[in-house]
Amino acid sequence: KAGVTQTPRYLIKTRGQQVTLSCSPISGHRSVSWYQQTPGQGLQFLFEYFSETQRNKGNFPGRFSGRQFSNSRSEMNVSTLELGDSALYLCASSFTRGTANYNEQFFGPGTRLTVL
Amino acid sequence: GIQVEQSPPDLILQEGANSTLRCNFSDSVNNLQWFHQNPWGQLINLFYIPSGTKQNGRLSATTVATERYSLLYISSSQTTDSGVYFCAVESQAGTALIFGKGTTLSVSS
Repeated sequence: KAGVTQTPRYLIKTRGQQVTLSCSPISGHRSVSWYQQTPGQGLQFLFEYFSETQRNKGNFPGRFSGRQFSNSRSEMNVSTLELGDSALYLCASSFTRGTANYNEQFFGPGTRLTVL
Repeated sequence: GIQVEQSPPDLILQEGANSTLRCNFSDSVNNLQWFHQNPWGQLINLFYIPSGTKQNGRLSATTVATERYSLLYISSSQTTDSGVYFCAVESQAGTALIFGKGTTLSVSS
């Protein structure tokens, strides 16, 4: 079974631009989560989507947004980029079994965003 | 919110040595995972272990949920074990993983 894929792998943007990152989950997984990793703040949760609905959201400004499509693929968008948005953005998918508390998350290779 | 603390922050070993990495968390959790981050940044799943003990080759993990800690054991370490090891927990309140700051392991030959 193919793993989580993310595109693009590397991206260079300038301040003020916007960017869209894409994530395709493992086949059959319906939950997609996004995380930001920076040297200063470590790994931080951005948001989670399940069945095309945002189910959980981290403490990030509204410039960070996302969506999920009917095939569970997800995109995240960052508008008005700032230098501090330079980071590794990781996507994770999981197969949430109904009400059971099983939520093992599997991560993609990440998109490394550099803002100049 | 829940706090996750990992120790030690850095660990330097000779090939063949054993090591124990620790993860403490401040509240009850639904899930706990251990990851190894490779040099390219990808998080590799090691264990999904909200409680109990699991083993996978030279690696094993134990989580004592009632005492709010987990341990990752690496035996007979190899240079390929080098990298950052993260512990992450999912609180009972939500579905997000909360990560510790990681343990950076360096294994030399």
